[in-house]
Amino acid sequence: DGGITQSPKYLFRKEGQNVTLSCEQNLNHDAMYWYRQDPGQGLRLIYYSQIVNDFQKGDIAEGYSVSREKKESFPLTVTSAQKNPTAFYLCASSINQGLSSNQPQHFGDGTRLSIL
Amino acid sequence: SQKIEQNSEALNIQEGKTATLTCNYTNYSPAYLQWYRQDPGRGPVFLLLIRENEKEKRKERLKVTFDTTLKQSLFHITASQPADSATYLCALAPQRGYNKLIFGAGTRLAVHP
Repeated sequence: DGGITQSPKYLFRKEGQNVTLSCEQNLNHDAMYWYRQDPGQGLRLIYYSQIVNDFQKGDIAEGYSVSREKKESFPLTVTSAQKNPTAFYLCASSINQGLSSNQPQHFGDGTRLSIL
Repeated sequence: SQKIEQNSEALNIQEGKTATLTCNYTNYSPAYLQWYRQDPGRGPVFLLLIRENEKEKRKERLKVTFDTTLKQSLFHITASQPADSATYLCALAPQRGYNKLIFGAGTRLAVHP
């Protein structure tokens, strides 16, 4: 079955620690995205990648970093610089058709990050 | 400022009735608008997409309308069932180009037997 796998489902971070959230897709999608979801707020875009070895900051990139070395994988690191990391993190992917792209996004089932 | 708004209060309806959810936006001229369903602890699942030149789109018991004059989209579920209970998110593409979406906070729907 094609889809997006996020791991772990739950993650705890200690003060001053960096943690990495995994996102893998086997949909052969070019574009991948990371969102943060907080109660009562819409999904907010952290980083996105249109193609391998390229990524751009979203609306709330501070305190986060990503890499896109393989088409299938788009890991997100929550650094110690992110002072309020407690949230539900969602990874998504879509077909990237360039300027006419209007494709739906396919989401994983998220990672819930909490502070110890 | 740019905003996309969905009713934050939960919508409670009786099984068999039509549920209508609203998505309003300001200071955007979206090329298209999408609706997603999200269950607790899960990621959103795509339901429907409607383009700016389409007034209405249907899929089984679902119907979406898009009024660019009112800057509003309505999402209808006819003959609602308890299994339709979930949070429904609208999302718009603020500009033509790559697939960057702005999401509303969602409206929770509860369908009671």
